[in-house]
Amino acid sequence: DIQMTQSPSSLSASVGDRVAITCRASQSISNYLNWYQQKPGKAPKLLIYAASSLQSGVPSRFSGSGSGTDFTLTISSLQPEDFATYYCQQSYSTPWTFGQGTKVEIK
Amino acid sequence: EVQLVESGGGLVQPGGSLRLSCAASGFSFSTYWMHWVRQAPGKGLVWVSCINSDGISTNYADSVKGRFTISRDNAKNTLYLQMNSLRAEDTAVYYCARRSSIVAPYYFEYWGQGTLVTVSS
Repeated sequence: DIQMTQSPSSLSASVGDRVAITCRASQSISNYLNWYQQKPGKAPKLLIYAASSLQSGVPSRFSGSGSGTDFTLTISSLQPEDFATYYCQQSYSTPWTFGQGTKVEIK
Repeated sequence: EVQLVESGGGLVQPGGSLRLSCAASGFSFSTYWMHWVRQAPGKGLVWVSCINSDGISTNYADSVKGRFTISRDNAKNTLYLQMNSLRAEDTAVYYCARRSSIVAPYYFEYWGQGTLVTVSS
């Protein structure tokens, strides 16, 4: 199975901050990497697919980059509604696996 | 509007069985792969199983293989997860999710709201 490791596991940031979350795969997954946002008690929501493609309706302050084994989700200017947990996920091979999550909290 | 609505969760004793359903609407259900993903309380997301559009091909996580069965009824636009020999570690919110369409890379494009399964005596 492909292991996905996110860092950090949590972070504290202020509104307006630039935030970066990294995700590393245990083997090369090309660009088969997706990012999801989850708020408490809610289902995950797709933000970024294929490493860098912005899902329709998602604000442009979210961006994704990377290829192979190393990927980054960047929020250019953190907004109050962005405080949530973020997960990366690979779809290169079954079983599809997720990172452990990164909780973004208010400083 | 795409909608996925799970049902069938509840409290079950260890060793018991439960069948989850996911009613789909707003899209051509019979043309999409469908998945189940679960999330234990306070924990991360874990992929459970998937099924192809015509129900012929299935895959399972090792942790549920031989105990869970995924199926679908395209005439009823419904996805199922039959869960047998349930264990405490199966306690989780179970989400159904629609895979994106034909061209890779694939992703979970839509999610249901989830249904809670609690395995406890």
